[in-house]
Amino acid sequence: EIVLTQSPGTLSLSPGERATLSCRASQTVSSSNLAWYLQKPGQAPRLLIHGASSRATGIPDRFSGSGSGTDFTLTISRLEPEDFAVYYCQQYGSLWTFGQGTKVEI
Amino acid sequence: QLQLQESGPGLVRPSETLSLTCTVSGGSISSSGYYWGWIRQPPGKGLEWVGSIYSSGNTYYNPSLKSRVTISADTSKNQFSLKLTSVTAADTAVYYCVRHPRGEAFDYWGQGTLVTVSS
Repeated sequence: EIVLTQSPGTLSLSPGERATLSCRASQTVSSSNLAWYLQKPGQAPRLLIHGASSRATGIPDRFSGSGSGTDFTLTISRLEPEDFAVYYCQQYGSLWTFGQGTKVEI
Repeated sequence: QLQLQESGPGLVRPSETLSLTCTVSGGSISSSGYYWGWIRQPPGKGLEWVGSIYSSGNTYYNPSLKSRVTISADTSKNQFSLKLTSVTAADTAVYYCVRHPRGEAFDYWGQGTLVTVSS
């Protein structure tokens, strides 16, 4: 089983600032089968990034993903008020597993 | 627009079987190349993949739950279902049903349903 470790656990930032979230895998994630999701309280997660760096439909370009192998990053270039939420990475190259989440708080 | 809707009891007794159904509208679960799965999230905690069924009928389960999980599909009703046996309080969670294309991320999610395990 591929274990995903996200860091930091909590990121405290202000609107307009840049956010950098990390996701490290215990084994190589094949074909960059890595996704990022955003979850707001009381809502289902929403797909942001797939294939490590491709934005999902309707996702603004302030969200970007990068990385390969075992190290992946989600960057939010300028935080908007609606971006304060919990972010999860997920690998789908070998069954399916999630990281434990990073909370981005004001 | 594809929509998924979970349904089932909100309260299950310990040691009994949790049963949930996901009804899909706006698309067919028989369409080739798609998985239909279940994700759960204990209150205040992270996401856990429970299992998925492929359009061919093949099933895949989280190794940590495999002995207790069964996922099945009813194409005539365009539904798929989850059964989790011998539940304990640790199985209390919001359960989401999802669609994920082969080799792709989870692109459609249901709104989720809270299942509490308690006597």
